[in-house]
Amino acid sequence: QQQVKQSPQSLIVQKGGIPIINCAYENTAFDYFPWYQQFPGKGPALLIAIRPDVSEKKEGRFTISFNKSAKQFSLHIMDSQPGDSATYFCAASNRDDKIIFGKGTRLHILP
Amino acid sequence: NAGVTQTPKFQVLKTGQSMTLQCAQDMNHNSMYWYRQDPGMGLRLIYYSASEGTTDKGEVPNGYNVSRLNKREFSLRLESAAPSQTSVYFCASSARQGFYEQYFGPGTRLTVT
Repeated sequence: QQQVKQSPQSLIVQKGGIPIINCAYENTAFDYFPWYQQFPGKGPALLIAIRPDVSEKKEGRFTISFNKSAKQFSLHIMDSQPGDSATYFCAASNRDDKIIFGKGTRLHILP
Repeated sequence: NAGVTQTPKFQVLKTGQSMTLQCAQDMNHNSMYWYRQDPGMGLRLIYYSASEGTTDKGEVPNGYNVSRLNKREFSLRLESAAPSQTSVYFCASSARQGFYEQYFGPGTRLTVT
């Protein structure tokens, strides 16, 4: 019940394409769904986050879509660039508890 | 404002040796965490400290101990290193337990031979 399942494990997209990373959760007590971005040799950093009462959130070229009934959420990267190549983690957090991370998606954008 | 700092950046140990990984944050955060990252396994929580004076086990605590020295510092100790502990270790902090925004340090790459 505490798991966050993330797919795909790796993804290769041409520059300008729209990579999509999907996550699913079971625990309806989660109250925030963040995405983290990690570049090689660095620690993860918060990219964007959404609450379960919102169906979509955009920040620049990054969009989270949230489907509460299906208990699924996804990250879309519009007009992807080689500089977006990184590992992306979805997560779910529960007030006064812990953040649960997905296993990560290694994204490579071809120039 | 350095955020979260970790030392050392790299370490090689022989099986059975001990060492302590240091972590400090300057954001006045209440909660601190230690994760390990292995290929295909994502970020796995080792131990966390919800607030100064408290520590709790995470998903993979065996072989590790922690100390919340004060509000700023949270150390991770390997008493008798094993090759299975070869990994990249990240320290993180957040304003409070369960808050969705965690700040991560740059990591320590540990190899146990």
